[in-house]
Amino acid sequence: ELKVEQNPLFLSMQEGKNYTIYCNYSTTSDRLYWYRQDPGKSLESLFVLLSNGAVKQEGRLMASLDTKARLSTLHITAAVHDLSATYFCAVVISGTYKYIFGTGTRLKVLA
Amino acid sequence: SAVISQKPSRDICQRGTSLTIQCQVDSQVTMMFWYRQQPGQSLTLIATANQGSEATYESGFVIDKFPISRPNLTFSTLTVSNMSPEDSSIYLCSVDKGTYGYTFGSGTRLTVV
Repeated sequence: ELKVEQNPLFLSMQEGKNYTIYCNYSTTSDRLYWYRQDPGKSLESLFVLLSNGAVKQEGRLMASLDTKARLSTLHITAAVHDLSATYFCAVVISGTYKYIFGTGTRLKVLA
Repeated sequence: SAVISQKPSRDICQRGTSLTIQCQVDSQVTMMFWYRQQPGQSLTLIATANQGSEATYESGFVIDKFPISRPNLTFSTLTVSNMSPEDSSIYLCSVDKGTYGYTFGSGTRLTVV
């Protein structure tokens, strides 16, 4: 059974600090995605990672993928309050279109 | 990417009743996916809806409880039947746009009282 685990589950950090969220998955996968969810809202796509060593950056967020280690990271640089949200990674089961979502990381950035 | 219109956005329902959630996509897609997100939890896939065939349900979900229709390539409905408070969740439809990934509907927040 494919498992996708994120850590930490909860993260409270000060504005201006850096931190990394980790996403581990248990089997081979073709694709990995990162999503953001604000309270009471749907999911917004952040990054698409398609190959080993892929790195994508948007603003203060940078995502990377290591398919050999079955690990993706979402790095936050100089956090700001607007980044407060829940972040999910999602792994696509090879040969299918089904996504398995990680446990989610609830991020709170304190002013 | 696709645009999905999902409704209702929220509802409060009495236990024992049923609610049908609709998703309309602005382009034709082969597969649509229905997810449940229980309070404070991650997303769990309920079923995959293909046009012209029965939906494929994941372990723990059955057609009698969550019947799905897919009458054409742009539309799908999910019904939550005989509801109990445990069905209180956010229900999301999504479509896969290849390497761009899933696009999600705006979600339906269901509260069963």
